[in-house]
Amino acid sequence: GDSVTQMEGPVTLSEEAFLTINCTYTATGYPSLFWYVQYPGEGLQLLLKATKADDKGSNKGFEATYRKETTSFHLEKGSVQVSDSAVYFCALSPSTNTGNQFYFGTGTSLTVIP
Amino acid sequence: EAGVAQSPRYKIIEKRQSVAFWCNPISGHATLYWYQQILGQGPKLLIQFQNNGVVDDSQLPKDRFSAERLKGVDSTLKIQPAKLEDSAVYLCASSLDLGQGLSGGSYNEQFFGPGTRLTVL
Repeated sequence: GDSVTQMEGPVTLSEEAFLTINCTYTATGYPSLFWYVQYPGEGLQLLLKATKADDKGSNKGFEATYRKETTSFHLEKGSVQVSDSAVYFCALSPSTNTGNQFYFGTGTSLTVIP
Repeated sequence: EAGVAQSPRYKIIEKRQSVAFWCNPISGHATLYWYQQILGQGPKLLIQFQNNGVVDDSQLPKDRFSAERLKGVDSTLKIQPAKLEDSAVYLCASSLDLGQGLSGGSYNEQFFGPGTRLTVL
């Protein structure tokens, strides 16, 4: 079935370091791909999305490119800040998704230290 | 615009007790979802409503979990009796509608509430 696999954490970085969180997916057809972020004590928020191959989603300095050939959607940020400390979830919505189901990865915890 | 509201935020109970969670979705959102998020895992869909009808409850442990959305607006999720393995965060989400989204692709964005953290002792 459809699923996503993301790198395990936790990840600890110094402020202004480069961030990559890997995400690969398994799905038939062309799913839509997402990154959600969960700040401490809050619900999940959509960070960025891409709906077709080679699309690049971007928001708040984060980017991810939908790579069909490698079935990947890695999250990157060139210079992280302390305020980016959160849990990041990769997710997909199947291409035949009449029920609007989303499938989430296990999450990667990021801590940015000053 | 008010977001998805959930209560309580935290609940501690003993095993075999019952517990109920409440969710009020964003106004006008037809689709409501309950997820279970066990520590260290991603959210797992328990049940999905479209208005007051169930779209998907295939992963809901129906011997102990129940959910309703009687008037197609707010919803309650109940566990009776609770087990130790039910300790988790219960997330409620809502979306404008089912698939065939307005933003391209076949999805509609899901908006999440802050969750209820349940501890079963």
